[in-house]
Amino acid sequence: EIVMTQSPATLSVSPGERATLSCRASQSVNSNLAWYQQKPGQAPRLLIYGASTRATGFPARFSGSGSGTEFTLTISSLQSEDFAVYYCQQYNDWPPLTFGGGTKVEIK
Amino acid sequence: EVQLVESGGGLVKPGGSLRLSCAASGFTFNIYKMNWVRQAPGKGLEWVSSITNSGSYIDYADSVKGRFTISRDNAKNSLYLQMHSLRAEDTAVYYCASGLIVSVALDIWGQGTMVTVSS
Repeated sequence: EIVMTQSPATLSVSPGERATLSCRASQSVNSNLAWYQQKPGQAPRLLIYGASTRATGFPARFSGSGSGTEFTLTISSLQSEDFAVYYCQQYNDWPPLTFGGGTKVEIK
Repeated sequence: EVQLVESGGGLVKPGGSLRLSCAASGFTFNIYKMNWVRQAPGKGLEWVSSITNSGSYIDYADSVKGRFTISRDNAKNSLYLQMHSLRAEDTAVYYCASGLIVSVALDIWGQGTMVTVSS
């Protein structure tokens, strides 16, 4: 099973600042990596797939990068609506599909 | 509008059974792989099970193998999860989800249905 590790667990950022979230896979997942955004009481929303392709409805301030075992989600200038929990998920080698533990982006 | 709507959650005693349903609309259900993903209270996401469009191939997480059964009825645009021998650790919100672009990058999700296993 591929283990996905996200860091940090919590990221405190001021509105307008840049946020950088990390996701590490225990073995290579190539570019088969997705990111999700989840707000309280809501289902997750697909944000990024293929490590760097933005899903419909998300603005360009969100970007994904990386391949192999190291991945980054960057939010260039945080807006109030971006404060949420972000999960990474690999789909290179499954079952099982595996998710990281999540990074909570909170207001500083 | 593309939509998934889960139902069937509730309170059940340890060892009990429950059947979840997921009604799909707004897309061609019978060509997409479907999944169940769960989230325990205050915890992260855990994949539970997947079923191919025809139902020919099915996978389960080790944590539910032998206790849960996924199925689908393409004529009814519906996905199901039959859960037996429920344990306290099965307590979670259960989501049905699918990937319309990449089958397992999940771009459509239901609102979830809560399953509570407690005596």
